Amino acid sequence: QSALTQPASVSGSPGQSITISCTGTSSDVGGYNYVSWYQQHPGKAPKLMIYEVSNRPSGVSNRFSGSKSGNTASLTISGLQAEDEADYYCSSYTSSSTLWVFGGGTKLTVL
Amino acid sequence: EVQLLESGGGLVQPGGSLRLSCAASGFTFSSYAMSWVRQAPGKGLEWVSAISGSGGSTYYADSVKGRFTISRDNSKNTLYLQMNSLRAEDTAVYYCAKVVVTRGGRYFDLWGRGTLVTVSS
Repeated sequence: QSALTQPASVSGSPGQSITISCTGTSSDVGGYNYVSWYQQHPGKAPKLMIYEVSNRPSGVSNRFSGSKSGNTASLTISGLQAEDEADYYCSSYTSSSTLWVFGGGTKLTVL
Repeated sequence: EVQLLESGGGLVQPGGSLRLSCAASGFTFSSYAMSWVRQAPGKGLEWVSAISGSGGSTYYADSVKGRFTISRDNSKNTLYLQMNSLRAEDTAVYYCAKVVVTRGGRYFDLWGRGTLVTVSS
Protein backbone atom coordinates (compact mmCIF):
# COMPACT_ATOMS: atom_id res chain seq x y z
CA GLN A 1 0.00 0.00 0.00
CA SER A 2 1.40 3.36 -1.05
CA ALA A 3 1.83 6.18 1.43
CA LEU A 4 -0.16 8.64 -0.68
CA THR A 5 -3.58 7.75 -2.07
CA GLN A 6 -4.44 8.36 -5.71
CA PRO A 7 -7.35 7.05 -7.82
CA ALA A 8 -6.25 4.06 -9.87
CA SER A 9 -7.62 5.50 -13.08
CA VAL A 10 -9.25 8.55 -14.62
CA SER A 11 -10.41 9.22 -18.15
CA GLY A 12 -11.51 12.07 -20.32
CA SER A 13 -12.17 13.02 -23.90
CA PRO A 14 -9.87 15.24 -25.97
CA GLY A 15 -10.33 18.87 -25.02
CA GLN A 16 -11.83 18.12 -21.63
CA SER A 17 -10.25 18.70 -18.22
CA ILE A 18 -9.48 16.10 -15.58
CA THR A 19 -8.23 16.28 -12.01
CA ILE A 20 -6.19 13.67 -10.16
CA SER A 21 -6.21 13.79 -6.38
CA CYS A 22 -3.42 12.79 -4.01
CA THR A 23 -4.24 12.37 -0.33
CA GLY A 24 -1.65 12.12 2.40
CA THR A 25 -1.29 13.25 6.00
CA SER A 26 -0.05 16.21 7.98
CA SER A 27 3.39 14.56 7.98
CA ASP A 28 3.73 14.83 4.24
CA VAL A 29 1.28 16.55 1.86
CA GLY A 30 -0.36 18.65 4.55
CA GLY A 31 2.82 19.59 6.33
CA TYR A 32 4.92 20.93 3.47
CA ASN A 33 4.59 22.61 0.08
CA TYR A 34 6.90 19.89 -1.24
CA VAL A 35 4.39 18.11 -3.48
CA SER A 36 5.52 17.15 -6.97
CA TRP A 37 3.91 15.31 -9.86
CA TYR A 38 5.48 13.00 -12.43
CA GLN A 39 4.27 11.71 -15.79
CA GLN A 40 5.36 8.27 -16.97
CA HIS A 41 4.66 6.82 -20.37
CA PRO A 42 4.91 3.02 -20.72
CA GLY A 43 8.49 1.81 -20.63
CA LYS A 44 9.83 5.32 -20.07
CA ALA A 45 11.37 7.19 -17.17
CA PRO A 46 9.22 9.49 -15.05
CA LYS A 47 9.17 13.16 -16.04
CA LEU A 48 8.70 16.06 -13.62
CA MET A 49 5.49 17.95 -14.42
CA ILE A 50 4.81 20.00 -11.26
CA TYR A 51 7.00 20.91 -8.28
CA GLU A 52 6.39 22.81 -5.05
CA VAL A 53 2.65 22.10 -5.38
CA SER A 54 1.95 24.36 -8.35
CA ASN A 55 5.11 25.28 -10.26
CA ARG A 56 5.78 24.05 -13.79
CA PRO A 57 9.29 23.29 -15.04
CA SER A 58 10.39 24.98 -18.20
CA GLY A 59 8.99 23.15 -21.21
CA VAL A 60 5.92 21.70 -19.48
CA SER A 61 2.66 22.82 -21.03
CA ASN A 62 0.57 25.34 -19.10
CA ARG A 63 -2.32 22.90 -19.51
CA PHE A 64 -0.88 21.20 -16.42
CA SER A 65 -1.56 22.84 -13.07
CA GLY A 66 -1.30 21.84 -9.42
CA SER A 67 -2.91 22.84 -6.16
CA LYS A 68 -3.26 21.75 -2.55
CA SER A 69 -5.84 21.96 0.18
CA GLY A 70 -5.08 20.49 3.57
CA ASN A 71 -3.77 16.95 3.17
CA THR A 72 -4.89 16.62 -0.47
CA ALA A 73 -3.01 17.78 -3.53
CA SER A 74 -4.44 17.85 -7.04
CA LEU A 75 -3.15 17.78 -10.59
CA THR A 76 -5.41 19.25 -13.25
CA ILE A 77 -4.88 18.74 -16.95
CA SER A 78 -6.93 20.96 -19.19
CA GLY A 79 -7.51 20.62 -22.93
CA LEU A 80 -6.72 16.90 -22.85
CA GLN A 81 -4.61 15.61 -25.71
CA ALA A 82 -3.88 12.06 -26.80
CA GLU A 83 -0.22 12.48 -25.75
CA ASP A 84 -1.34 13.09 -22.15
CA GLU A 85 -2.31 9.43 -21.83
CA ALA A 86 0.15 8.08 -19.26
CA ASP A 87 0.57 7.18 -15.60
CA TYR A 88 0.78 10.08 -13.15
CA TYR A 89 2.42 9.89 -9.73
CA CYS A 90 2.31 12.39 -6.90
CA SER A 91 5.12 12.63 -4.40
CA SER A 92 5.81 14.48 -1.19
CA TYR A 93 8.80 15.04 1.04
CA THR A 94 8.05 13.80 4.54
CA SER A 95 9.08 14.36 8.11
CA SER A 96 9.68 10.65 8.63
CA SER A 97 12.82 8.61 8.01
CA THR A 98 11.35 7.82 4.60
CA LEU A 99 12.27 11.13 3.05
CA TRP A 100 9.97 10.88 0.05
CA VAL A 101 6.69 9.06 -0.45
CA PHE A 102 4.82 8.43 -3.67
CA GLY A 103 1.23 7.78 -4.58
CA GLY A 104 0.26 4.49 -6.16
CA GLY A 105 -0.15 6.13 -9.54
CA THR A 106 -3.13 7.07 -11.69
CA LYS A 107 -3.60 5.78 -15.21
CA LEU A 108 -5.02 8.52 -17.42
CA THR A 109 -6.91 7.33 -20.47
CA VAL A 110 -7.80 9.80 -23.20
CA LEU A 111 -10.94 8.42 -24.80
CA GLU B 1 23.34 17.14 -22.90
CA VAL B 2 21.93 16.84 -19.39
CA GLN B 3 21.41 13.16 -18.67
CA LEU B 4 21.70 10.25 -16.28
CA LEU B 5 22.59 6.75 -17.46
CA GLU B 6 22.21 3.75 -15.18
CA SER B 7 23.99 0.43 -15.57
CA GLY B 8 24.75 -2.72 -13.62
CA GLY B 9 21.35 -4.38 -13.46
CA GLY B 10 20.79 -8.05 -14.14
CA LEU B 11 19.66 -11.38 -12.77
CA VAL B 12 20.90 -12.33 -9.32
CA GLN B 13 20.01 -15.11 -6.90
CA PRO B 14 18.32 -14.40 -3.56
CA GLY B 15 20.96 -13.47 -1.02
CA GLY B 16 23.29 -12.21 -3.73
CA SER B 17 24.81 -8.79 -4.38
CA LEU B 18 24.83 -6.30 -7.21
CA ARG B 19 26.24 -2.79 -7.70
CA LEU B 20 24.40 -0.25 -9.79
CA SER B 21 26.06 2.79 -11.33
CA CYS B 22 24.64 6.04 -12.65
CA ALA B 23 26.78 8.25 -14.88
CA ALA B 24 25.80 11.90 -14.87
CA SER B 25 26.57 14.52 -17.51
CA GLY B 26 25.61 18.06 -18.45
CA PHE B 27 25.42 19.54 -14.94
CA THR B 28 27.69 20.15 -11.95
CA PHE B 29 27.26 16.74 -10.34
CA SER B 30 28.81 17.60 -7.00
CA SER B 31 26.36 20.45 -6.44
CA TYR B 32 23.34 18.19 -6.23
CA ALA B 33 21.99 15.51 -3.97
CA MET B 34 21.15 12.33 -5.83
CA SER B 35 18.70 9.53 -5.23
CA TRP B 36 17.64 6.05 -6.27
CA VAL B 37 13.97 5.30 -6.87
CA ARG B 38 12.68 1.87 -7.87
CA GLN B 39 9.60 0.50 -9.57
CA ALA B 40 8.59 -3.13 -9.23
CA PRO B 41 7.02 -4.68 -12.35
CA GLY B 42 3.55 -3.23 -12.85
CA LYS B 43 3.78 -1.26 -9.61
CA GLY B 44 4.31 2.31 -8.50
CA LEU B 45 7.40 4.28 -7.60
CA GLU B 46 9.25 3.74 -4.31
CA TRP B 47 12.01 5.95 -2.95
CA VAL B 48 15.06 3.87 -1.99
CA SER B 49 17.98 6.06 -0.97
CA ALA B 50 19.53 9.51 -1.25
CA ILE B 51 22.95 11.10 -0.78
CA SER B 52 24.06 14.68 -0.34
CA GLY B 53 26.20 16.46 -2.91
CA SER B 54 29.36 15.96 -0.88
CA GLY B 55 28.50 12.38 -0.07
CA GLY B 56 28.68 13.12 3.63
CA SER B 57 25.03 12.38 4.35
CA THR B 58 23.10 9.30 3.29
CA TYR B 59 19.48 8.26 3.74
CA TYR B 60 17.63 4.98 3.24
CA ALA B 61 14.11 3.62 3.10
CA ASP B 62 13.40 1.19 5.94
CA SER B 63 12.94 -1.59 3.38
CA VAL B 64 16.61 -1.46 2.33
CA LYS B 65 18.35 -0.09 5.42
CA GLY B 66 21.28 -2.28 6.41
CA ARG B 67 21.36 -4.05 3.04
CA PHE B 68 21.92 -1.26 0.50
CA THR B 69 24.67 1.37 0.48
CA ILE B 70 24.57 4.53 -1.60
CA SER B 71 27.77 6.34 -2.53
CA ARG B 72 29.15 8.72 -5.12
CA ASP B 73 32.43 9.62 -6.80
CA ASN B 74 32.29 13.29 -7.71
CA SER B 75 35.56 13.05 -9.64
CA LYS B 76 33.86 10.56 -11.95
CA ASN B 77 30.37 12.15 -11.90
CA THR B 78 29.00 8.77 -10.88
CA LEU B 79 26.45 7.58 -8.34
CA TYR B 80 26.42 4.02 -6.98
CA LEU B 81 24.08 1.68 -5.18
CA GLN B 82 25.61 -1.41 -3.58
CA MET B 83 22.86 -3.94 -2.98
CA ASN B 84 23.52 -6.91 -0.68
CA SER B 85 21.32 -9.68 0.71
CA LEU B 86 18.96 -9.25 -2.18
CA ARG B 87 15.40 -10.53 -1.91
CA ALA B 88 12.73 -11.33 -4.47
CA GLU B 89 10.87 -8.18 -3.43
CA ASP B 90 13.86 -6.07 -4.54
CA THR B 91 13.06 -6.99 -8.15
CA ALA B 92 12.43 -3.69 -9.91
CA VAL B 93 13.64 -1.12 -12.38
CA TYR B 94 16.02 1.14 -10.48
CA TYR B 95 16.08 4.79 -11.51
CA CYS B 96 18.74 7.30 -10.69
CA ALA B 97 17.35 10.79 -10.07
CA LYS B 98 18.80 14.26 -9.53
CA VAL B 99 17.42 15.94 -6.43
CA VAL B 100 16.58 19.62 -6.19
CA VAL B 101 16.64 20.98 -2.66
CA THR B 102 15.51 24.56 -2.17
CA ARG B 103 13.90 26.53 0.58
CA GLY B 104 10.55 25.81 -1.03
CA GLY B 105 10.97 22.37 -2.49
CA ARG B 106 12.39 18.87 -2.53
CA TYR B 107 11.87 17.05 -5.83
CA PHE B 108 13.44 15.00 -8.62
CA ASP B 109 13.98 17.07 -11.76
CA LEU B 110 15.98 14.63 -13.89
CA TRP B 111 15.64 10.87 -14.17
CA GLY B 112 17.66 8.19 -15.92
CA ARG B 113 16.12 5.48 -18.09
CA GLY B 114 16.53 2.87 -15.37
CA THR B 115 18.19 -0.52 -15.03
CA LEU B 116 16.33 -3.74 -14.31
CA VAL B 117 17.28 -5.86 -11.31
CA THR B 118 15.73 -9.32 -11.12
CA VAL B 119 16.20 -11.39 -7.98
CA SER B 120 15.30 -15.00 -8.68
CA SER B 121 16.69 -18.51 -8.36
